[in-house]
Amino acid sequence: NAGVTQTPKFQVLKTGQSMTLQCAQDMNHNSMYWYRQDPGMGLRLIYYSASEGTTDKGEVPNGYNVSRLNKREFSLRLESAAPSQTSVYFCASSGPRGGNSPLHFGNGTRLTVT
Amino acid sequence: AQTVTQSQPEMSVQEAETVTLSCTYDTSESDYYLFWYKQPPSRQMILVIRQEAYKQQNATENRFSVNFQKAAKSFSLKISDSQLGDAAMYFCAYRSTSGGTSYGKLTFGQGTILTVHP
Repeated sequence: NAGVTQTPKFQVLKTGQSMTLQCAQDMNHNSMYWYRQDPGMGLRLIYYSASEGTTDKGEVPNGYNVSRLNKREFSLRLESAAPSQTSVYFCASSGPRGGNSPLHFGNGTRLTVT
Repeated sequence: AQTVTQSQPEMSVQEAETVTLSCTYDTSESDYYLFWYKQPPSRQMILVIRQEAYKQQNATENRFSVNFQKAAKSFSLKISDSQLGDAAMYFCAYRSTSGGTSYGKLTFGQGTILTVHP
């Protein structure tokens, strides 16, 4: 049972380069999320998708774009990476919106922008 | 917007002892959910315990229990009989149940690093 799968696990980019973080879940969840984790700041929401075909901005969306390709997949794109985007990125999914169903997380991507 | 505050950046405990991690939150909503997640050095996010705000009874999962004080907007985590494997970063999180832009998303606190001494 794979759960939430993120790729890659590690990535180093130069300033100005672009890349896409991939995320897929096999739990038939409607909602998917992208968070970033920085020291002393916990996890902050970048973008989320409440259901297939919809995406919304979270707390820190600047510099990112997302695509909900289908119900399973939700990708995060950095068009022009900046050192401020050095972080650990987590994808997550959840069942019914607003319920007590917890978020299920991928194992994260550590991104370094030099 | 809701905020979650963990005022203890680091805590430590002796193996087999009890430790309590603090969490407070700010909200104007009456119905919501609260969670504690554990993040070991592997970076994996693991759900520890959850609490529905409409339930007065404190949630318990084996050695983990919460002290939920709705009026005080406090949600602390108590770990009993601490084990070396409990060493991790712990995050408190809030989930709204109301409509609007905050619906369904988790808002996290800053995290508390727990060290367990043998």
